[in-house]
Amino acid sequence: ILNVEQSPQSLHVQEGDSTNFTCSFPSSNFYALHWYRWETAKSPEALFVMTLNGDEKKKGRISATLNTKEGYSYLYIKGSQPEDSATYLCAFLHNNNDMRFGAGTRLTVKP
Amino acid sequence: DAGITQSPRYKITETGRQVTLMCHQTWSHSYMFWYRQDLGHGLRLIYYSAAADITDKGEVPDGYVVSRSKTENFPLTLESATRSQTSVYFCASSDLRNAGNQPQHFGDGTRLSIL
Repeated sequence: ILNVEQSPQSLHVQEGDSTNFTCSFPSSNFYALHWYRWETAKSPEALFVMTLNGDEKKKGRISATLNTKEGYSYLYIKGSQPEDSATYLCAFLHNNNDMRFGAGTRLTVKP
Repeated sequence: DAGITQSPRYKITETGRQVTLMCHQTWSHSYMFWYRQDLGHGLRLIYYSAAADITDKGEVPDGYVVSRSKTENFPLTLESATRSQTSVYFCASSDLRNAGNQPQHFGDGTRLSIL
């Protein structure tokens, strides 16, 4: 069973707070781990694609780490802004073809 | 403009009817995907295609048919629609030839309601 779990389901933070979410995935047959940002009424947009154990990626105030041996990835947002409010999806690529998404973490940043 | 487009954006139909959702991409990406989005489930893969004339089942393929006669098009057909297929459908494409290190690009979605 290729379960991808994300926690927490939802998160409310104040503007300026830093926050992080977790994505857990099967540690076998790992090909890649994707993070997407999904704003309401829009389509998901790619943030990071990570393929190597120990990978760390950064885009502005957002960064991610990857541990393929234990099957988890963390997404960090430093100094959250209201425009960061969105659902953050992780997706586990299994066997280079089968993409399994988590249910997402819905982040709300209050001004 | 280059991109991935889905049509129609909204569709209402009745149970038992056949309905086809269209997806077109202009990047010449080798891989294309169909997902459905339902509350509590996130995105679930229905079918994917690695190239023209190559398709394969995803996590939830029952009740759906796909074809890929041309690289740029990947239509999804519900042969006899059921209420449980009411959902938002997303098409995506990617060039996954490099061991999955390319992101997927999503269309804007089709909201399908089956009465």
